[in-house]
Amino acid sequence: DADVTQTPRNRITKTGKRIMLECSQTKGHDRMYWYRQDPGLGLQLIYYSFDVKDINKGEISDGYSVSRQAQAKFSLSLESAIPNQTALYFCATSETGTDTQYFGPGTRLTVL
Amino acid sequence: AQSVAQPEDQVNVAEGNPLTVKCTYSVSGNPYLFWYVQYPNRGLQFLLKYITGDNLVKGSYGFEAEFNKSQTSFHLKKPSALVSDSALYFCAVREGDTGRRALTFGSGTRLQVQP
Repeated sequence: DADVTQTPRNRITKTGKRIMLECSQTKGHDRMYWYRQDPGLGLQLIYYSFDVKDINKGEISDGYSVSRQAQAKFSLSLESAIPNQTALYFCATSETGTDTQYFGPGTRLTVL
Repeated sequence: AQSVAQPEDQVNVAEGNPLTVKCTYSVSGNPYLFWYVQYPNRGLQFLLKYITGDNLVKGSYGFEAEFNKSQTSFHLKKPSALVSDSALYFCAVREGDTGRRALTFGSGTRLQVQP
């Protein structure tokens, strides 16, 4: 688990604020992902990146943006947070060709 | 399009009894199938996967899953449940004929093992 780190682990913010969640990995994987988890809905894919210059929208990208600053770093931004973005956010990585994903510990975001 | 369904929100089983957590999938081509487990306040952990070959796949912590192409299912099983198996379990699928798709996860099944 320590190979994929997320900061912050918990964040409370207000509607309209800009928020950035950060993910770093030391596994040397090319692929990185951002998910949100809501009770009863499982994991929903927000964005994914197959390498530094290859970024793709997932199922629920509206209201979110991402930046792949380096192979090891993948940030998720909420430009103007709204209450229904309150959720648990997970970053994950995988090596090209294996599909086995390794997850970070998650960031619990609350938007008031 | 690819999708996966976990029809049970929760499964209850007594310690020592066999357990099954159900998963069905839909893909256009050949499926790559996965099971992950999530313990409280933790990220998901990989349990096992089916890519090709033997329909019975063995994974971590004594879990196994059986790929059934005709029923489009990939149920997770364990012969003897432990209280420590209590967690949230996710099935995931990807269409295997292209390397550019990400996984699609199911909604999760909470497994409760009673002592």
